[in-house]
Amino acid sequence: AQSVTQPDIHITVSEGASLELRCNYSYGATPYLFWYVQSPGQGLQLLLKYFSGDTLVQGIKGFEAEFKRSQSSFNLRKPSVHWSDAAEYFCAVGSYNFNKFYFGSGTKLNVKP
Amino acid sequence: DAGVTQSPTHLIKTRGQQVTLRCSPKSGHDTVSWYQQALGQGPQFIFQYYEEEERQRGNFPDRFSGHQFPNYSSELNVNALLLGDSALYLCASSLQDSDTQYFGPGTRLTVL
Repeated sequence: AQSVTQPDIHITVSEGASLELRCNYSYGATPYLFWYVQSPGQGLQLLLKYFSGDTLVQGIKGFEAEFKRSQSSFNLRKPSVHWSDAAEYFCAVGSYNFNKFYFGSGTKLNVKP
Repeated sequence: DAGVTQSPTHLIKTRGQQVTLRCSPKSGHDTVSWYQQALGQGPQFIFQYYEEEERQRGNFPDRFSGHQFPNYSSELNVNALLLGDSALYLCASSLQDSDTQYFGPGTRLTVL
């Protein structure tokens, strides 16, 4: 069965510190992987996506993610967190024709000044 | 260019009632997907509409139904509301078979 697990419900980091949010997926075929961010009162915004090729993908707002097939993981990273990055982050896997998506339960990021 | 819009923003209903939520896709998009996001959870896929037909459905009962109009806008209907239907309902639009979805801000439904 297809599923996405985000093991960390809440994470707090200091502004300027590095960040890594974990995501593990279970999918029978080639996974199409996504990271979204959701700020309060706003819809989800796509940060980055991975389909194939280079396993390190760059996204918007300075985020990157690395696909590791052997670990079924797609972790999101940022070298230096800004206060404006405080939000909830969701990892998702999409079907091959993108007509169905499975989301993780999210990781809420708090940023300390 | 307006993005995805949803109405209403908030809604309060009582158990057993019926509700209709509306979504206007981003200009040029022909595919609409609906998601339910319960408090503290990630979005759960309800269904996707393309060319006025339900193309794919998640694990939701028949009480959840939808419709897509010729102008690509869409409605989500929920019958016989339960307390557990309280959630943020998100609409996302895209082009057919595109990987990129654009999400609306959602409709917050509270069932009392």
